[in-house]
Amino acid sequence: AQTVTQSQPEMSVQEAETVTLSCTYDTSESNYYLFWYKQPPSRQMILVIRQEAYKQQNATENRFSVNFQKAAKSFSLKISDSQLGDTAMYFCAFFLYSGGGADGLTFGKGTHLIIQP
Amino acid sequence: ETGVTQSPTHLIKTRGQQVTLRCSSQSGHNTVSWYQQALGQGPQFIFQYYREEENGRGNFPPRFSGLQFPNYSSELNVNALELDDSALYLCASSFGRGYTFGSGTRLTVV
Repeated sequence: AQTVTQSQPEMSVQEAETVTLSCTYDTSESNYYLFWYKQPPSRQMILVIRQEAYKQQNATENRFSVNFQKAAKSFSLKISDSQLGDTAMYFCAFFLYSGGGADGLTFGKGTHLIIQP
Repeated sequence: ETGVTQSPTHLIKTRGQQVTLRCSSQSGHNTVSWYQQALGQGPQFIFQYYREEENGRGNFPPRFSGLQFPNYSSELNVNALELDDSALYLCASSFGRGYTFGSGTRLTVV
């Protein structure tokens, strides 16, 4: 079974600063995907960024980028030029590619990110 | 392109009762999965349906059951409700490896 650990329950930064959210995971598999999801008070999970484990290049989406360290099983999210609208819960999630996704997504406990004006 | 819609948005039930939650998948998505998110926790995988058959299940008892219909919409049924079943229930539809989530149903068991 896979596990995902997010060790920062809450983080707070000033608007326009850069913030990094940590995530580690444990698996014996080699074919998987990693995700960061954002959950604002509206409750809907919104995909922020996705990383395929077979890709060495770190994924980027505008102000969001990841630092994927496969050997260390680490997957951190960096948010540059943070904005008030980035305030939300952020969840790291693991998806096992083999088996057709029958294990679903495995989520961490989340990090509550607060952007201060 | 429609997203994932869930109904109802909120629900209050009494311990021992049964509940049915509904989910309409995003157009073209043939797989639907359900998650339970307790307060202050990450979502936990309940089960997944692909073309009307359950093809994956998390660590949930049999009183959690589901259905997927030919139009790929889905239901989550929970029997003999317990207080610990109080949570946000999220539905996610997918095609391939992209998941789209609904806004969830907040279930309170009293």
